[in-house]
Amino acid sequence: GAVVSQHPSRVICKSGTSVKIECRSLDFQATTMFWYRQFPKQSLMLMATSNEGSKATYEQGVEKDKFLINHASLTLSTLTVTSAHPEDSSFYICSAPEAYKTGYDTDTQYFGPGTRLTVL
Amino acid sequence: GNSVTQMEGPVTLSEEAFLTINCTYTATGYPSLFWYVQYPGEGLQLLLKATKADDKGSNKGFEATYRKETTSFHLEKGSVQVSDSAVYFCALSAPASNQGGSEKLVFGKGTKLTVNP
Repeated sequence: GAVVSQHPSRVICKSGTSVKIECRSLDFQATTMFWYRQFPKQSLMLMATSNEGSKATYEQGVEKDKFLINHASLTLSTLTVTSAHPEDSSFYICSAPEAYKTGYDTDTQYFGPGTRLTVL
Repeated sequence: GNSVTQMEGPVTLSEEAFLTINCTYTATGYPSLFWYVQYPGEGLQLLLKATKADDKGSNKGFEATYRKETTSFHLEKGSVQVSDSAVYFCALSAPASNQGGSEKLVFGKGTKLTVNP
């Protein structure tokens, strides 16, 4: 099946610094990627939809200036957590549909292994 | 709005026991339904899916039937193995907020399954 990678797998940073997380589709192109945040023992919460060649679409309550998303190519999306604080510590996961379909057809989404961010 | 409710865990079973993880949903329109599995230290993997009412998704001995009348998509397996120990997520698809974009997933909270030998 399709493979999505994330880098780094874990990162520890000081409060106030910025951290960049990369999400790559390794063997397919993805015009859209999704970024999720997962809290311990809780579900994945969609943060934003990353669109190649255009601005990301953020979910309600997600600060776009804090969580910068850039979909630089058909295989790479980056999430930058700016001026990170301890409350930003979490598990960040990206996903990508293998093929874009119109209408209400459903794409199978492939998930990256996640990035554990710890802000001290 | 769209939401998914699944039974809270953790669930602990002995090998070869029968497994049911309940999942119900609330959605406008006709969503597709999914079960994803997250093995320890790994990313989420699609386990099975169903795209319309009465469809049955199946994979690796797991099954789930899309029940529109009860808005449910319960996961079942007749005989679990130690290797099935993982966290299971029920999810539905919803149209993305960006017009014409791919659909996004709404997840339940996840159910941790532990199977003992």
